Amino acid sequence: SQKIEQNSEALNIQEGKTATLTCNYTNYSPAYLQWYRQDPGRGPVFLLLIRENEKEKRKERLKVTFDTTLKQSLFHITASQPADSATYLCALGGASGTYKYIFGTGTRLKVLA
Amino acid sequence: EAQVTQNPRYLITVTGKKLTVTCSQNMNHEYMSWYRQDPGLGLRQIYYSMNVEATDKGDVPEGYKVSRKEKRNFPLILESPSPNQTSLYFCASSLKRNYEQYFGPGTRLTVT
Repeated sequence: SQKIEQNSEALNIQEGKTATLTCNYTNYSPAYLQWYRQDPGRGPVFLLLIRENEKEKRKERLKVTFDTTLKQSLFHITASQPADSATYLCALGGASGTYKYIFGTGTRLKVLA
Repeated sequence: EAQVTQNPRYLITVTGKKLTVTCSQNMNHEYMSWYRQDPGLGLRQIYYSMNVEATDKGDVPEGYKVSRKEKRNFPLILESPSPNQTSLYFCASSLKRNYEQYFGPGTRLTVT
């Protein structure tokens, strides 16, 4: 069955360091992969999208890589700040031309001042 | 302001009493989805819609119905709610199939 895994434990890092979150998947061929941020009690907020034929995408302090051979995406936040503390969700979509999505359970990031 | 709205935000109901959660977007988006979020299980897609009168099942459609009669609205209907449908529900929309999703604020449903 389709499976998507993110670091399930919380990730604590010091302010100013780079946070790296992983997303691994099996039995799925997504056309694109998205990363979202979710704060407690709120809806997810879109951060980055990367397509299957792209290796890397950047937006300000964020970078995402996508390796369809390894079936893995890495999400990096450079120069992290306490305001980056949140849960980050990985989502796969577009398989077989559909609008079906599967989400990971998320990684809780805490940036320590 | 571009947004996805959901109503109600909180709902406590009893088993078997039909309910509808409304979702509306003001961005003229083609695609809309409903998700439920449960601890340890993450977001799971219930139903999605590609446009007016076009809907399809997600991963967990059992016990839910949807309709898309207008582009902006995508209500979620629970004909006979059960306690296992207690969850946090999110509606989302996107302009095109492979574009980012915009999520609503969520509806916390408790079925006793």
